[in-house]
Amino acid sequence: EPEVTQTPSHQVTQMGQEVILRCVPISNHLYFYWYRQILGQKVEFLVSFYNNEISEKSEIFDDQFSVERPDGSNFTLKIRSTKLEDSAMYFCASIPTGGGLGYTFGSGTRLTVV
Amino acid sequence: AQRVTQPEKLLSVFKGAPVELKCNYSYSGSPELFWYVQYSRQRLQLLLRHISRESIKGFTADLNKGETSFHLKKPFAQEEDSAMYYCAPGIDSNYQLIWGAGTKLIIKP
Repeated sequence: EPEVTQTPSHQVTQMGQEVILRCVPISNHLYFYWYRQILGQKVEFLVSFYNNEISEKSEIFDDQFSVERPDGSNFTLKIRSTKLEDSAMYFCASIPTGGGLGYTFGSGTRLTVV
Repeated sequence: AQRVTQPEKLLSVFKGAPVELKCNYSYSGSPELFWYVQYSRQRLQLLLRHISRESIKGFTADLNKGETSFHLKKPFAQEEDSAMYYCAPGIDSNYQLIWGAGTKLIIKP
C-alpha cells in the first residue's frame, strides 16, 4: 500500500537553528498537510497546500514557518529560528483529488529543540 | 511502537441506526487515545479523548483494556456524521506514533 514518507524520524536541534522536515506524499495525491502534536496534547493543524500554494493555515503557522514543494515530489516544512515550544511530533498527510478514503498520514518527525 | 488498527475502511449505515467504529490498540503502558474526525477535505478535528470521558456530538468511546479497544459509538446516526474518523494514540516520549488508517463513515438517508 502506498505510504507517505517522512524524514528524519527524529531531529534534535538547538534553539535558534533552522530545521527542514521532509515529506514524500503519495504520488497521485494533490492535497498536502502538516500537523503537529506536542507531547500529551491533541494534534494541531498547521497548513494545507494545493496546486503549489498554501490553501489554508492556522494561527500557529506564523512567519517562522514556511512550506515548499521544491521538486514536485518532496513537501517540506521549514522552521526558522526554532524555539523550545516547537518541540513536537510533526505529521505530513496527503489526500487524492477526489478525497477518496481520506488522509494518508506519515509516521511523523519528532522534533526536539534544546 | 504504539499502534492502532481500524479494521473497517468503509462503514455505511442508515440514518437513525446505531454506529460503532472499531479501534484496537497494541502497546504496553497506559494508552492515551483520541478520536479525530475529518469532514470532506477539511482539517482534522479532535472529536474526543478517552481521558476526558466526554460525549461530543452524541459520540462516546470507552477504553476497554481487556479487549484493547477504543470503539467509537453513537446510538442514532445523523447524516451530518458522514466523515472520515481516525483513531490515534497520544505521544509517548519512548515510542513512535502510528496512525490508524481511518474509517469512512457514510450515513444513508
